[in-house]
Amino acid sequence: DAKTTQPPSMDCAEGRAANLPCNHSTISGNEYVYWYRQIHSQGPQYIIHGLKNNETNEMASLIITEDRKSSTLILPHATLRDTAVYYCIVRAFDMRFGAGTRLTVKP
Amino acid sequence: GAGVSQSPRYKVAKRGQDVALRCDPISGHVSLFWYQQALGQGPEFLTYFQNEAQLDKSGLPSDRFFAERPEGSVSTLKIQRTQQEDSAVYLCASSRRGGVSTEAFFGQGTRLTVV
Repeated sequence: DAKTTQPPSMDCAEGRAANLPCNHSTISGNEYVYWYRQIHSQGPQYIIHGLKNNETNEMASLIITEDRKSSTLILPHATLRDTAVYYCIVRAFDMRFGAGTRLTVKP
Repeated sequence: GAGVSQSPRYKVAKRGQDVALRCDPISGHVSLFWYQQALGQGPEFLTYFQNEAQLDKSGLPSDRFFAERPEGSVSTLKIQRTQQEDSAVYLCASSRRGGVSTEAFFGQGTRLTVV
């Protein structure tokens, strides 16, 4: 069973920041938080991951709370091509997905 | 290409037929994962390899499903006596190291339709 809880869907205006929340209250000390996204008919695409520090790369930022029980993925300037299902995963060796959040970026 | 390659991309099987799905991971990647994704659902974990060792097969839905990675590179997922509920996209992913700190990269998947 997935260890994360995400809202089933969210909308975001094009050009604005998209903030996608994830709860993972049962995370263990050595488990990483990973984010993937899946655009229709494609395999999941890696976005970012972190253990306890905030992380940033060319795609997104990951903010992890101090107690590590929740995190937020931030897409700073959402575009129409960011419309996808976003998965937050607490990664043990087997990397199990939940239902994800369907993000729709609107013009 | 340098990515994870899966073949065939599409497979239509008659109910009761055996199928074999192939995954070519990124060269040198130690870890390999298989997932099953039904229409409108998230990927469901099937099994995990580290090199040739199958460390976790708890997600395989029945004994009709079998996966192997005999030389620690290419992997094959075999489904015997296919049934209609096996219709799904089968995804393969690989990562450079074992452990949990390295991202995994996915292939495009094989869409299996059982008729």
